[in-house]
Amino acid sequence: GAGVSQSPSNKVTEKGKDVELRCDPISGHTALYWYRQSLGQGLEFLIYFQGNSAPDKSGLPSDRFSAERTGGSVSTLTIQRTQQEDSAVYLCASSPTGGRDYGYTFGSGTRLTVV
Amino acid sequence: RKEVEQDPGPFNVPEGATVAFNCTYSNSASQSFFWYRQDCRKEPKLLMSVYSSGNEDGRFTAQLNRASQYISLLIRDSKLSDSATYLCVVKGNQGGKLIFGQGTELSVKP
Repeated sequence: GAGVSQSPSNKVTEKGKDVELRCDPISGHTALYWYRQSLGQGLEFLIYFQGNSAPDKSGLPSDRFSAERTGGSVSTLTIQRTQQEDSAVYLCASSPTGGRDYGYTFGSGTRLTVV
Repeated sequence: RKEVEQDPGPFNVPEGATVAFNCTYSNSASQSFFWYRQDCRKEPKLLMSVYSSGNEDGRFTAQLNRASQYISLLIRDSKLSDSATYLCVVKGNQGGKLIFGQGTELSVKP
């Protein structure tokens, strides 16, 4: 597609359940990022993939969070044993390279609600 | 201290006004700078990159002062459609992650 695609757009889950969020970056973009934004808050970096390099996981808030990127394209963010504080909009972005002059294109996000 | 700091506002201005947003960043090794716009309940969208020489895109002018680690955005002749949150964004060394400021809310009134 023309843009970054995320699914599902909305997810309501019960506390303690696992969830998987999916991101399809723009074709050919080598860099892929996950952020989350809680209500009324700024964007919080989670994880960054660049080509075949080891991902930068420095933003993952706990070991309940993990992400993978298969074949250098689609990425899945997994949250295990969800907690209410995990409720947020999870945003994925991609960039043509990891190069410094490129901004990122964001998907429309997955709104996660943990009840 | 936050890595990227912005005045959260809100800035309430009448149509046609000129408004300026400021941003400071803490990492002197930062290499790339951007302004993003985020509408309510929408994803951030790139407004413009920011260069040391300053750059202009229509009614929008961005400036970077590396010595002071300061970035600005000027909006001239503001429109109702400019109402949004403006995010100051800084990137580290090549390949690094983007660090977002908390955003400055702008409300343009008729």
